[in-house]
Amino acid sequence: DGGITQSPKYLFRKEGQNVTLSCEQNLNHDAMYWYRQDPGQGLRLIYYSQIVNDFQKGDIAEGYSVSREKKESFPLTVTSAQKNPTAFYLCASSQAPADWPQHFGDGTRLSIL
Amino acid sequence: QKEVEQDPGPLSVPEGAIVSLNCTYSNSAFQYFMWYRQYSRKGPELLMYTYSSGNKEDGRFTAQVDKSSKYISLFIRDSQPSDSATYLCAMSAPNSGGGADGLTFGKGTHLIIQP
Repeated sequence: DGGITQSPKYLFRKEGQNVTLSCEQNLNHDAMYWYRQDPGQGLRLIYYSQIVNDFQKGDIAEGYSVSREKKESFPLTVTSAQKNPTAFYLCASSQAPADWPQHFGDGTRLSIL
Repeated sequence: QKEVEQDPGPLSVPEGAIVSLNCTYSNSAFQYFMWYRQYSRKGPELLMYTYSSGNKEDGRFTAQVDKSSKYISLFIRDSQPSDSATYLCAMSAPNSGGGADGLTFGKGTHLIIQP
């Protein structure tokens, strides 16, 4: 089945630690996105990529980094500079152009130990 | 300015009722409009998407866009307990490069269908 796979489902971070969230898609979509969802705040865009080896900052990129070395993969690293990382992280993808509807994975819940 | 307003609810209705969910927005550049359904601890699932103004129907769901009023709606007919979820509206504007720079979401409306 085509879709977006996010792993792990739950992740715990210690103080000062970087963690990486995985996102893989087999939909052959060009564009991929990372969102953060907090209770009562909706989804906010962290980073997006419309093509391999290129990505742009979203509204809340500080404390996060991404890479796009393969079309299928768009990992997100939550760095120690992100002071409030506890949230539900959602990865999405869409066909080119990037204004087609986006399809989401089932998310990774990140918590602080 | 990107801003989308959506009543968080909860909205509680009896089974079989017609449900109306709404969003207003301020950015006149938005051209693509979507509705997503999100169950607890799951990713949003695309329900409907429309381009520009007008109506679109898919089974029990109807999406309506009024760009002149900057107002979009999702109607659910013959509502079922399985429709209980959070409904998110989302919209997008083309950027100068011809693509889009991500979706702007409403905060979601929590819908409860009472059996």
